[in-house]
Amino acid sequence: AQTVTQSQPEMSVQEAETVTLSCTYDTSESNYYLFWYKQPPSRQMILVIRQEAYKQQNATENRFSVNFQKAAKSFSLKISDSQLGDTAMYFCASPGYSTLTFGKGTMLLVSP
Amino acid sequence: DTGVSQNPRHKITKRGQNVTFRCDPISEHNRLYWYRQTLGQGPEFLTYFQNEAQLEKSRLLSDRFSAERPKGSFSTLEIQRTEQGDSAMYLCASSLGWDREYGYTFGSGTRLTVV
Repeated sequence: AQTVTQSQPEMSVQEAETVTLSCTYDTSESNYYLFWYKQPPSRQMILVIRQEAYKQQNATENRFSVNFQKAAKSFSLKISDSQLGDTAMYFCASPGYSTLTFGKGTMLLVSP
Repeated sequence: DTGVSQNPRHKITKRGQNVTFRCDPISEHNRLYWYRQTLGQGPEFLTYFQNEAQLEKSRLLSDRFSAERPKGSFSTLEIQRTEQGDSAMYLCASSLGWDREYGYTFGSGTRLTVV
């Protein structure tokens, strides 16, 4: 069975600071993508960033970037210049044979 | 196309009643997934369809749960004889094939409260 572990249930950061959310995963897939999703309070889950496992270069989307360590099966999300709108649950997801497996999430609170 | 649509957004029901939720995926997406999310937890896989065929069901999907996607478009998830433990957010997502590159597009969910 695929497993995804997010070891930080909650994190707090002040506006403009940088924060890193951690994720480790286990998959038997050979060619795969990894995903970070964001779920703001009472709103739908949206994709933040994805990383192809075969690419050595870490993915970047504006203020969001990942640190992908394939050998360690680690896939952390870095948010730079945090904004109040970044307050949300963040979920890491890794693929199984036909569906995604999600971690338990990290609640990120950005304060003024 | 406005994305994945779920109805109702909220449902409060008495224990023992039956409830049905509906999901309308993105029109060109042939895969449709149902997940359950309890408070403070990540989404847990329930079942998925490719077109009208239900291809996989998790052990979380007890006999009281049934899902259909009769014409390969919208899907319904029915829970019979609801229990308090069924209280959760039920999420629907869709994808074009097993979209390993782009993942899923999620709906806003249906929050079920069993009293």
